[in-house]
Amino acid sequence: GAVVSQHPSWVICKSGTSVKIECRSLDFQATTMFWYRQFPKQSLMLMATSNEGSKATYEQGVEKDKFLINHASLTLSTLTVTSAHPEDSSFYICSARAGGNSGRIADTQYFGPGTRLTVL
Amino acid sequence: QKEVEQDPGPLSVPEGAIVSLNCTYSNSAFQYFMWYRQYSRKGPELLMYTYSSGNKEDGRFTAQVDKSSKYISLFIRDSQPSDSATYLCAMSAASNTGKLIFGQGTTLQVKP
Repeated sequence: GAVVSQHPSWVICKSGTSVKIECRSLDFQATTMFWYRQFPKQSLMLMATSNEGSKATYEQGVEKDKFLINHASLTLSTLTVTSAHPEDSSFYICSARAGGNSGRIADTQYFGPGTRLTVL
Repeated sequence: QKEVEQDPGPLSVPEGAIVSLNCTYSNSAFQYFMWYRQYSRKGPELLMYTYSSGNKEDGRFTAQVDKSSKYISLFIRDSQPSDSATYLCAMSAASNTGKLIFGQGTTLQVKP
């Protein structure tokens, strides 16, 4: 069964509003979670690495003030797209990295089902 | 040059065929190699995980890693229409960061 969930699975919002996406690891604690963005027919583009209890590390070119990441617990990370615009429309996917005592393959990323964001 | 190269396809095969998917890479520090399967509008699903060189088999799937050639492969035997998806190779150099480098993904279609 699924080991990582995302909510919502899809969202439509108006330009200028903010949208929060939740990522939960369901059966293991994840000290590290990752946020990706995927455009149609393209591979995953890493946006940021989220570590529990510390600030996220953003990839080059990703605006940290626009894509706010919070990793408040070992099972939950959130991505907030602030003041969304149509160009932010995309498929956002999170992953959780399994630790050595998780019962999963250590150091492997397990992905959520993705969130499709459409900004009108 | 990209760190990981993967032919995007599309690759179309008849049901029952053996499928070979490949990736090449340039970073000799890569030690962890994975194959993910992604269905349309879904998140990637881990298929195979290999550490360092060698072969690994799981049902109809076989993963091979040749570090000397910087080349990894995924073989699918007796392919089924349900195998139609995009297959992404991914690899990482060090476990402390866990950051994965992905190939572009190969789209596979298995025709009944």
